[in-house]
Amino acid sequence: DAGITQSPRHKVTETGTPVTLRCHQTENHRYMYWYRQDPGHGLRLIHYSYGVKDTDKGEVSDGYSVSRSKTEDFLLTLESATSSQTSVYFCAISGDSGAALETQYFGPGTRLLVL
Amino acid sequence: AQSVSQHNHHVILSEAASLELGCNYSYGGTVNLFWYVQYPGQHLQLLLKYFSGDPLVKGIKGFEAEFIKSKFSFNLRKPSVQWSDTAEYFCAVKGGSQGNLIFGKGTKLSVKP
Repeated sequence: DAGITQSPRHKVTETGTPVTLRCHQTENHRYMYWYRQDPGHGLRLIHYSYGVKDTDKGEVSDGYSVSRSKTEDFLLTLESATSSQTSVYFCAISGDSGAALETQYFGPGTRLLVL
Repeated sequence: AQSVSQHNHHVILSEAASLELGCNYSYGGTVNLFWYVQYPGQHLQLLLKYFSGDPLVKGIKGFEAEFIKSKFSFNLRKPSVQWSDTAEYFCAVKGGSQGNLIFGKGTKLSVKP
């Protein structure tokens, strides 16, 4: 398995509070991604990063922001959590070019419950 | 826009039965294709991938998939399933060099012992 950890693994929070999820990788990969997984929707891309301080929006970016100050860490922040953001959040990484770039490997996930 | 369609929401099989899970995508250009598996409570693991070459791709755990370009399909197969194959299976497509990875909604497979 790729060296990806996510923290926390489980979190319960209240509506309106900010929440930050962390993804940490030990593979030195350039690309990192945040997805959310919801029943009946598969995985949907929230944001991704193509290098330190380089990020871009995905399909469902509203209400989320990201930061990447180091190669190994990619943070996802819910600025003001809402119940619709209750989900399982997965981080993924991929390499720099060719087949390594095209293939994503996933972290263990974070279950977030917003009350 | 790209999309991925997985035809079956839930498939129930007995052990030793053969499996075929359908996946169709919509994208007119060159695509890279993937199947991921998610065992209960776990993260997604890559089963197999297709970039080019032989359209019949073999993956881990005895799974294989066939890319049929004319049908925009990438169906997953296994000749004989085991109880341990109980999981959710996701087809994913990446179109073009700048495209994002687009996932289907998943197919849950339940294998009865």
